[in-house]
Amino acid sequence: KAGVTQTPRYLIKTRGQQVTLSCSPISGHRSVSWYQQTPGQGLQFLFEYFSETQRNKGNFPGRFSGRQFSNSRSEMNVSTLELGDSALYLCASSLRGGSSNEQFFGPGTRLTVL
Amino acid sequence: GESVGLHLPTLSVQEGDNSIINCAYSNSASDYFIWYKQESGKGPQFIIDIRSNMDKRQGQRVTVLLNKTVKHLSLQIAATQPGDSAVYFCAETMDSSYKLIFGSGTRLLVRP
Repeated sequence: KAGVTQTPRYLIKTRGQQVTLSCSPISGHRSVSWYQQTPGQGLQFLFEYFSETQRNKGNFPGRFSGRQFSNSRSEMNVSTLELGDSALYLCASSLRGGSSNEQFFGPGTRLTVL
Repeated sequence: GESVGLHLPTLSVQEGDNSIINCAYSNSASDYFIWYKQESGKGPQFIIDIRSNMDKRQGQRVTVLLNKTVKHLSLQIAATQPGDSAVYFCAETMDSSYKLIFGSGTRLLVRP
């Protein structure tokens, strides 16, 4: 079974631009969560999507948004990029509703904002 | 490889020794806890989990201990191997939520 895939793996943008990151969950998984990882703040929850609806949201500004498609693939968007948005963005998928709520992480997208 | 964290506490152990990694969690209402391992350039990988109705759970070479009184979690790795070198994170959540709250992480270095 293929794992969680994220594209692109690396991205360089400049301040003020916007970016879209993509995540394909494990086949059969319907929940997708997004996390931001930085050396200073560690791993922080952004949001979770299930059945195309946002179920949970972390403490990030409205510049961070996401969506989920009917095939469970998810995208997250960051608008008006700031230098502090440079981070590793991780996506995790889960069955949601199964006997375990184990989350499986992808390799991440490394975003650098110049 | 990519640096996960520049100022993580580091535990250095000799190959073959046992390792103990500790974590203080934040929310007394959390009822599900997970340990993740993150190697350079990769996403976190599930190691073991425990629910709040247990105080100990064993896996293959790993044991997780939960002390709810002091909100403390530990991960014990038996016979530590070079492949165990990584950053280890604890995470907490309430079972009905898929929002994981991660600890700051500990870097484990295994000396050959």
